[in-house]
Amino acid sequence: SQQGEEDPQALSIQEGENATMNCSYKTSINNLQWYRQNSGRGLVHLILIRSNEREKHSGRLRVTLDTSKKSSSLLITASRAADTASYFCATARASGTYKYIFGTGTRLKVLA
Amino acid sequence: EPEVTQTPSHQVTQMGQEVILRCVPISNHLYFYWYRQILGQKVEFLVSFYNNEISEKSEIFDDQFSVERPDGSNFTLKIRSTKLEDSAMYFCASRADNTEAFFGQGTRLTVV
Repeated sequence: SQQGEEDPQALSIQEGENATMNCSYKTSINNLQWYRQNSGRGLVHLILIRSNEREKHSGRLRVTLDTSKKSSSLLITASRAADTASYFCATARASGTYKYIFGTGTRLKVLA
Repeated sequence: EPEVTQTPSHQVTQMGQEVILRCVPISNHLYFYWYRQILGQKVEFLVSFYNNEISEKSEIFDDQFSVERPDGSNFTLKIRSTKLEDSAMYFCASRADNTEAFFGQGTRLTVV
């Protein structure tokens, strides 16, 4: 798989349910970030988790990082229709310029 | 809250014309990036810039592309002779040492 691949590619849930998105990557990283993008719009930073962290919370968001499996998950609890968007993970390598490699994204649709 | 600003938000240009996309990074940031996203596809790294020089570039960033930080505040991406396939959303990003990358809202480039 490519660096920063999310699954599922698309997810449709009812309002109030939880949404879980996963990201896998290949190389050692310094940190991993999750971004949200509404259709055709800019990238909104959600949360950053560093390689020495295992879990972070921000409001209704919970991110985990498993460096041994080279994977991360984003959990959105009690989803709302306004959470409908594409979600991307972006990994920064452990060395070099820290360029971010984006995954293919998960398109989340929350039905009211 | 500081933010990365990009102008214009939308640019339409004729094939073969030169375009300059402008970005104002966050003022104390040191690392600058350009990314692009072709409609419906993933966000792709183009180039990173640090200490007034390109630190890394992707295969996409060929001789048609150049970047410049002309005055210590702006960060520009120039495409010398645009092609239809250059149509995409272009994102500028900046970051400080060991922080997350902040992205601008993007410039939608349409080449006709």
